Amino acid sequence: QSALTQPASVSGSPGQSISISCTGPSSDVGGYNHVSWYQQHPGNAPKLMIYDVSNRPSGVSNRFSGSKSGNTASLTISGLQAEDEADYYCSSYISSSTLVLFGGGTKLTVL
Amino acid sequence: QVQLVQSGSELKKPGASVKVSCKASGYTFTNSAINWVRQAPGQGLEWMGWINTNTGNPSYAQGFTGRFVFSLATSLSTAYLQISSLKAEDTAVYYCARPGGKGDLDYWGQGTLVTVSS
Repeated sequence: QSALTQPASVSGSPGQSISISCTGPSSDVGGYNHVSWYQQHPGNAPKLMIYDVSNRPSGVSNRFSGSKSGNTASLTISGLQAEDEADYYCSSYISSSTLVLFGGGTKLTVL
Repeated sequence: QVQLVQSGSELKKPGASVKVSCKASGYTFTNSAINWVRQAPGQGLEWMGWINTNTGNPSYAQGFTGRFVFSLATSLSTAYLQISSLKAEDTAVYYCARPGGKGDLDYWGQGTLVTVSS
């Protein structure tokens, strides 16, 4: 099964907003409201930032928000900060046997 | 607090085997599955599969059958990933992770670097 499609890189200046897209077939991203987003700083484990399309775990800044339209999910980060520079991965629930399919990852650069 | 603590880095020769451990604490081990995720150097995340901590039944993603084995020591709240017949392309950081809901992984181990080199 191919990875979900994300842009390889995005960039923005401090204070700006950026969005990262995540596209998959209707059978996964489009078929379920179980899209998650992870932030990974170099050398660290991934951190869950968004689950079930738009829910934030406790402790995650409300500058991070998620949405979905059809087969494309999006992560939006508002009020960009230097500490947001990281790799971001989306994932989707696929089925009871293939629980998780990741996107290829997007490198966010804060200019 | 929930913690997943993995074993340390490993350096192995091609053809050898390695066993990575993932010790859980801060929750009832059998209440949540354990997933495994691979990240090759400079690459993205690949979901390897999961193990049901109640039944011990593993499920492997495509590309992770045969040489990869998930197992448990429930009394120790520990999950294991064993890789046999190691190849250079198995060089990666391997993470264990706990699912929060359907398809999301809310707690992760710190990762274990496995390096395969002659």
